Amino acid sequence: EAGVAQSPRYKIIEKRQSVAFWCNPISGHATLYWYQQILGQGPKLLIQFQNNGVVDDSQLPKDRFSAERLKGVDSTLKIQPAKLEDSAVYLCASSSLTFLAGHNTDTQYFGPGTRLTVL
Amino acid sequence: GNSVTQMEGPVTLSEEAFLTINCTYTATGYPSLFWYVQYPGEGLQLLLKATKADDKGSNKGFEATYRKETTSFHLEKGSVQVSDSAVYFCALSRNQFYFGTGTSLTVIP
Repeated sequence: EAGVAQSPRYKIIEKRQSVAFWCNPISGHATLYWYQQILGQGPKLLIQFQNNGVVDDSQLPKDRFSAERLKGVDSTLKIQPAKLEDSAVYLCASSSLTFLAGHNTDTQYFGPGTRLTVL
Repeated sequence: GNSVTQMEGPVTLSEEAFLTINCTYTATGYPSLFWYVQYPGEGLQLLLKATKADDKGSNKGFEATYRKETTSFHLEKGSVQVSDSAVYFCALSRNQFYFGTGTSLTVIP
């Protein structure tokens, strides 16, 4: 079974530029997650999709970050414009169970991440 | 709110030593608890999980028991190997996933 695919693996941009990341989840996985992992910290959830609908985007900085999953399969995360503090690894994960509020016991499978450096 | 606190690293052990990485949590209700591992250059992988109190998760010689009374989920392994060198993350699931800051483990021959 193919794992979660992400591209690019590395990206260096200057502040105020735009950048986009792509994720292809494991086939058949309904739930897709984007995380931001700053160096020395644990992953922080940015947005969670179930199929092509948003379940939780409470921690997504919506003034500059956007994400979509138009056909319920692959997803893109965009930053426009980027700031220095956006330098981080952006992780995509997917899981197979339908999300049920209150208790999620499903295993998340992570991609290798995209390391973003903003200069 | 929901949060995870785990032992700060880095941790350096000799091969065959006993490993404990502490993890405590704060959560409303009854979360599920997880340990994820991140090997150098790779993505996070599930190591083990427990979904209710007193459950013991185990995998690859690692174990962790869900202790509701102490709100803990400490990771243990009786004899570590060089190949266990990685960053270990404790996490809980309650509506969404919350991760600890990670503990870096280096095992030396």
